[in-house]
Amino acid sequence: AQSVTQLGSHVSVSEGALVLLRCNYSSSVPPYLFWYVQYPNQGLQLLLKYTSAATLVKGINGFEAEFKKSETSFHLTKPSAHMSDAAEYFCAVSDGGGGNKLTFGTGTQLKVEL
Amino acid sequence: GAVVSQHPSRVICKSGTSVKIECRSLDFQATTMFWYRQFPKQSLMLMATSNEGSKATYEQGVEKDKFLINHASLTLSTLTVTSAHPEDSSFYICSAPKGGAFGTGELFFGEGSRLTVL
Repeated sequence: AQSVTQLGSHVSVSEGALVLLRCNYSSSVPPYLFWYVQYPNQGLQLLLKYTSAATLVKGINGFEAEFKKSETSFHLTKPSAHMSDAAEYFCAVSDGGGGNKLTFGTGTQLKVEL
Repeated sequence: GAVVSQHPSRVICKSGTSVKIECRSLDFQATTMFWYRQFPKQSLMLMATSNEGSKATYEQGVEKDKFLINHASLTLSTLTVTSAHPEDSSFYICSAPKGGAFGTGELFFGEGSRLTVL
């Protein structure tokens, strides 16, 4: 079975500060890992994904994440937060070979303050 | 623009009635769609996989007679919550893979449908 743990249901940063959203996974097979963002009243949008290629993955809107097998982590970062980054972020894992069935974390609400 | 659309976005119904939620892929064909349920401050839980032309596959613990899924066409899947009760109140989200059922998991999600059962 696969699972994802997101540490911190709420994260608050100042505009221009580093954004770090944590995600740890558990998987019995090499995982595929994803970060999705959900803006209010909108569907989830894919930020980035790891599918066993480069361990440092760059996504949209300046976000990136690094797959660290030794730490079973896939933390999401952005060097400088913008007000428009305020949203809910979900980490998800799939086994890759079983299709598109994703297991999601509980989400982290990012707040960006002036 | 959205490539997967859900309707309605919000619905309020009385206990005991049935509610239908539609999920449409707007610019691609989706032989597979996924239905998720999201409780407040909790993660999305996969309920079932909707398959065009065949029966839906339900996750363990999901009542198939309670949550009827029909994949009527290559662009439409519907979720019907039958005999709804207050505990069925939740946020229901559908998704579809644009590149087919098997791939690297890039899904396009609908905006979600918030069901409130009184």
